Amino acid sequence: QQQVKQSPQSLIVQKGGISIINCAYENTAFDYFPWYQQFPGKGPALLIAIRPDVSEKKEGRFTISFNKSAKQFSLHIMDSQPGDSATYFCAATRNDYKLSFGAGTTVTVRA
Amino acid sequence: NAGVTQTPKFQVLKTGQSMTLQCAQDMNHNSMYWYRQDPGMGLRLIYYSASEGTTDKGEVPNGYNVSRLNKREFSLRLESAAPSQTSVYFCASSGVGRANQPQHFGDGTRLSIL
Repeated sequence: QQQVKQSPQSLIVQKGGISIINCAYENTAFDYFPWYQQFPGKGPALLIAIRPDVSEKKEGRFTISFNKSAKQFSLHIMDSQPGDSATYFCAATRNDYKLSFGAGTTVTVRA
Repeated sequence: NAGVTQTPKFQVLKTGQSMTLQCAQDMNHNSMYWYRQDPGMGLRLIYYSASEGTTDKGEVPNGYNVSRLNKREFSLRLESAAPSQTSVYFCASSGVGRANQPQHFGDGTRLSIL
């Protein structure tokens, strides 16, 4: 049973549009929520991360929104570019060594 | 700057064969991890090593063994491969021995078991 549920499974967005990926969790002990980006044939790479004491974190065109009461967090990709086409994974951990990953979202940005 | 290096990149095995996947990191990280990635399942932790000399089970350890050979190297062994172990295997490492440090991943080993 996956501890982090991610949706949608895939999405297509036009260049310049906004991509939104949602994740939900049940374990209230989770205290660190990273997002990873993976290109075909490569390993995942950390994109951005947030802790539950803040509601939003922005790095360039990527923003995490965090809703602690709803146990949900989301990734927004603003001004999406073809180079953003990749698979994105949300994850969560409770300050130990075990990252629980969502199932992944494949994002395709059409030029 | 190599980061995390995995060998081999591809492998085909027959059911019942054994093999060892190798992983090495050059970032002086304390912690190392083995994951498997399957379609629609995300990444699932098989085993991890919080520091040199220690190993612990993750979410899906059955059918696997690991060895933390030294601080740099962490190997994953399939003693008797089964078709259900067909997957892409990723090794990762992180510093300071805490999971909320960024995990750095290798490029994976694509393993098919016939």
